[in-house]
Amino acid sequence: GAVVSQHPSWVICKSGTSVKIECRSLDFQATTMFWYRQFPKQSLMLMATSNEGSKATYEQGVEKDKFLINHASLTLSTLTVTSAHPEDSSFYICSARDYGTDYGYTFGSGTRLTVV
Amino acid sequence: RKEVEQDPGPFNVPEGATVAFNCTYSNSASQSFFWYRQDCRKEPKLLMSVYSSGNEDGRFTAQLNRASQYISLLIRDSKLSDSATYLCVVYQGGKLIFGQGTELSVKP
Repeated sequence: GAVVSQHPSWVICKSGTSVKIECRSLDFQATTMFWYRQFPKQSLMLMATSNEGSKATYEQGVEKDKFLINHASLTLSTLTVTSAHPEDSSFYICSARDYGTDYGYTFGSGTRLTVV
Repeated sequence: RKEVEQDPGPFNVPEGATVAFNCTYSNSASQSFFWYRQDCRKEPKLLMSVYSSGNEDGRFTAQLNRASQYISLLIRDSKLSDSATYLCVVYQGGKLIFGQGTELSVKP
């Protein structure tokens, strides 16, 4: 089945630094990639939708200048958390839709970000 | 009102018990419905889609009532390995909308 590879699995960084998270679709072309954030004991909240070759669409309340999304190819989307702060510590997950299956959304394994 | 609401849980049940999860959604234009399972610190994984006619997959039965905007998941003969958080998910406007999840803990 469709596989989305997400790296890194976990990262610890200092306040003020930037962190890049990568998601790759391994055996299908992902024209659209979704980025979610999940705080402990809460559900996944959609942050933004990235489309290959165009600007990402951000959900209300998500700062586009803080969470930079790049979807330069059909198999790679990246999320960069710029000038990270402790409140950005969360579980970030990407998801891509494999149009070869019925509403087949495949998720990456997630990135646990801790900002100290 | 949240777009997708679930029982908060947690549900603590013994092995072999039958457990039911409920979910309601607010947007009548929602197109598709799913139950996902999420283990601790892992990504969510599709458990099953939910159809208006109801559908069953082994010990799992899902029901959808579009008039009431209500979705359910029934787990029969629960196993220790069923312990996880169950997420009610609705597809609308090109996006997946997740409920907050219901935690299930199956005890020996």
